Amino acid sequence: EVQLVESGGGLIQPGGSLRLSCAASGFAVGDNYMSWVRQAPGKGLEWVSVIYSGGSAYYADSVKGRFTISRDISKNTLYLQMHSLRAEDTAVYYCARDLYYDSNGYTDSWGQGTLDTVSS
Amino acid sequence: EIVLTQSPATLSLSPGERATLSCRASQSVSSSLVWYQQKPGQAPRLLIYAASNRATGIPARFSGNGSGRDFTLTISSLEPEDFAVYFCQQRSNWPLRTFGGGTKVETK
Repeated sequence: EVQLVESGGGLIQPGGSLRLSCAASGFAVGDNYMSWVRQAPGKGLEWVSVIYSGGSAYYADSVKGRFTISRDISKNTLYLQMHSLRAEDTAVYYCARDLYYDSNGYTDSWGQGTLDTVSS
Repeated sequence: EIVLTQSPATLSLSPGERATLSCRASQSVSSSLVWYQQKPGQAPRLLIYAASNRATGIPARFSGNGSGRDFTLTISSLEPEDFAVYFCQQRSNWPLRTFGGGTKVETK
């Protein structure tokens, strides 16, 4: 069974740093495209970042230069390192697995989410 | 950036009624359009991928169609558990991907 479990969220002051973790089971993180998606309280979904199986990483403009996605294959875990946090980064952060069908991508599995609150 | 506009923002219907949700892209996304369902306090759930393919375990009352810029998610007969928020997402402009603003299906 595919399972994703996020951790690491919490209350952080503006300008601070935080690292989110996502422990995967039932599949290999290194063999899949893995994403982070966030949702501000009461708002819609916003894609944050993706790391391809080959290691290439991409980011939304809103986090580029401040966030870094990475993975530890030996621990089967995905990470999101966040720096220079702003109030607008406050959100539930979901890790997710991407699959592809005939070159059309989609996210088939999501974690339960971890809340990151940026406030003084 | 490809912008997705979902309409209506809120759909008020009764169980048993048909729901039709729209997602329009600012430019063609071919068939690279995905639909998700989200209930309060839960992670999104995959419903439809590649515009019209139902995900594993999704009931046949859910169907998606469209291509290019205009897409529709139809729920043929609403069940109580279908009242939720629905998001579309484009996967054409990879690696970037964007979501629509969502449509809330609420009980009338």
